[in-house]
Amino acid sequence: AQSVTQLDSQVPVFEEAPVELRCNYSSSVSVYLFWYVQYPNQGLQLLLKYLSGSTLVKGINGFEAEFNKSQTSFHLRKPSVHISDTAEYFCAVSDLTGNQFYFGTGTSLTVIP
Amino acid sequence: DTAVSQTPKYLVTQMGNDKSIKCEQNLGHDTMYWYKQDSKKFLKIMFSYNNKELIINETVPNRFSPKSPDKAHLNLHINSLELGDSAVYFCASSHGLAGSYEQYFGPGTRLTVT
Repeated sequence: AQSVTQLDSQVPVFEEAPVELRCNYSSSVSVYLFWYVQYPNQGLQLLLKYLSGSTLVKGINGFEAEFNKSQTSFHLRKPSVHISDTAEYFCAVSDLTGNQFYFGTGTSLTVIP
Repeated sequence: DTAVSQTPKYLVTQMGNDKSIKCEQNLGHDTMYWYKQDSKKFLKIMFSYNNKELIINETVPNRFSPKSPDKAHLNLHINSLELGDSAVYFCASSHGLAGSYEQYFGPGTRLTVT
């Protein structure tokens, strides 16, 4: 089985500063990795995903994530955040069949003006 | 057009009642899901349906029953509601069950049990 750990439950950051949201996973098999964002009072939407190939994945809204197999991590980064990035961010892991899919506990990103 | 829609958006009811939440997707997807998000924002998958067959059923009480009249709909019926059922319930859909597919989420249904 897989599991996902998001170490930071809350991350406050000033506007235009860089941010990194951490995600670590555990799995004995190959996995797919995802980052989803949930804006206040809305459903989740996909930011980016890693399936295979290049370990640096670029997503929407200027976000990117890097898959590190040796460290079993998939950290999300943005070089300069905006007020509109204030939201809950979820890392997720899936086995290749999709039968095992898990979300992390989420990181609340608050961008301070 | 809304890709994944849920009704109602809010549901307030008393303990012991039976209620249903409806979900519809117009994306032509083969797989639909129900998630529960608790007050701490923790998301747990409850069910998924692939071509009208239950694929995943996590450790969910049997008071919860998914019903799929067709590929575009996956409704959630809850019997004998309990206080602990209060949460936001999200419906989602994807092209298939394979883990590489993006899931598209509905706006959520906030259930409050009093």
